[in-house]
Amino acid sequence: QVQLAQSGAEVRKPGASVKVSCKASGYSFTSYYIHWVRLAPGQGPEWMGVINTSGGFTNYAQKFQGRLTMTRDTSTSTVYMEMSSLRSDDTAVYYCARWGGIAVAAADYWGQGTLVTVSS
Amino acid sequence: DIQMTQSPSSLSASVGDRVTITCRASQSIGSYLSWYQQKPGKAPELLIYAASSLHSGVPSRFSGGGSGTDFTLTISSLQPEDFASYYCQQTYNTPYTFGQGTKLEIK
Repeated sequence: QVQLAQSGAEVRKPGASVKVSCKASGYSFTSYYIHWVRLAPGQGPEWMGVINTSGGFTNYAQKFQGRLTMTRDTSTSTVYMEMSSLRSDDTAVYYCARWGGIAVAAADYWGQGTLVTVSS
Repeated sequence: DIQMTQSPSSLSASVGDRVTITCRASQSIGSYLSWYQQKPGKAPELLIYAASSLHSGVPSRFSGGGSGTDFTLTISSLQPEDFASYYCQQTYNTPYTFGQGTKLEIK
């Protein structure tokens, strides 16, 4: 079955960086894009960006340009999301999600989420 | 960016009720609209894609409708497990923006 297993919770100080992993299993890794979405307390979900797991191409929301990097390792079927210059308002649960393809055009499977807390 | 406005933000209903949640896009998005359900402490789950297509395994009491700028999610007969938060998302243009959510609570 399709599974996306994310790394554990992280605590960082303002200005630091964090790198979250998302290991895929149960399907052909390079056949589906991976998106990242975050959910901050009291807010709606926020789309952060997407990575083409085959070619490695990325598309980030402009809000995160310059401090967000998505990469993938096809040998381990793992996608990474790294964010730098963290601020307190980056405190959120970060999710990776598989894009269901052109016909579905939605996130059909999600990781369990990784809580990132930014606090001094 | 395309703005997604969801209403209501919260809703109290009883088991067996029929409820409808609406989502409005700031510009036409065709049928590029998805609905997700999220329960506390869990990841979102896809319910509806392409505005009206039911995702595999989702009960038939859930249905989606609309196109262009106005969309609906309807639950025909609420079950206890349906009390959760619901979000719409447009996938017409990046950034793929979400609505602010509707929290469905037990009356």
